[in-house]
Amino acid sequence: EDQVTQSPEALRLQEGESSSLNCSYTVSGLRGLFWYRQDPGKGPEFLFTLYSAGEEKEKERLKATLTKKESFLHITAPKPEDSATYLCAVHSGSARQLTFGSGTQLTVLP
Amino acid sequence: NAGVTQTPKFQVLKTGQSMTLQCAQDMNHEYMSWYRQDPGMGLRLIHYSVGAGITDQGEVPNGYNVSRSTTEDFPLRLLSAAPSQTSVYFCASSYSRDSLYGYTFGSGTRLTVV
Repeated sequence: EDQVTQSPEALRLQEGESSSLNCSYTVSGLRGLFWYRQDPGKGPEFLFTLYSAGEEKEKERLKATLTKKESFLHITAPKPEDSATYLCAVHSGSARQLTFGSGTQLTVLP
Repeated sequence: NAGVTQTPKFQVLKTGQSMTLQCAQDMNHEYMSWYRQDPGMGLRLIHYSVGAGITDQGEVPNGYNVSRSTTEDFPLRLLSAAPSQTSVYFCASSYSRDSLYGYTFGSGTRLTVV
């Protein structure tokens, strides 16, 4: 059974204070690891797909990295508009569906 | 605007009532799915469809029915609402079940069963 654990559950940062969010996973035959952003009252919005260990993807202040056991979402010099819940999900060859973590709620204070 | 449209945005039901949550997409996506999101539990798959006329169960299908008569629409039916079905429901679509380009989600339906 695929499992995804995200930590921390909540994170409060000052504007400009860089940090990382963690996504640990257990999966049989990883096909892809996904990061989504979810704003309050909205559906998740796709950010990245990572396919193999060592891969990195960047978008503005966000950089996602992947190892064989976990993924990190690094946030560099965050701004208040980066405040959201960040969701991690895995797609395995066995389950053939997305398994989501419970998310990290990020708050960036001005 | 292209995307996934869900209606209604909010709904309150009494225990035992039935209703249908609507989902429509205009991206010609073959794969559509329904998730529920509960605090601390992440998104859980209810039902999915890989094309018109084809549906299957996900992780938490009990109490829900689906059908897919067209590529565009994928309604979710609650047969006899229970308080345990209080949740936020999201519809998602993509080109295929195994798409690695991410799913497009609707904005959700917040359902309360009293």
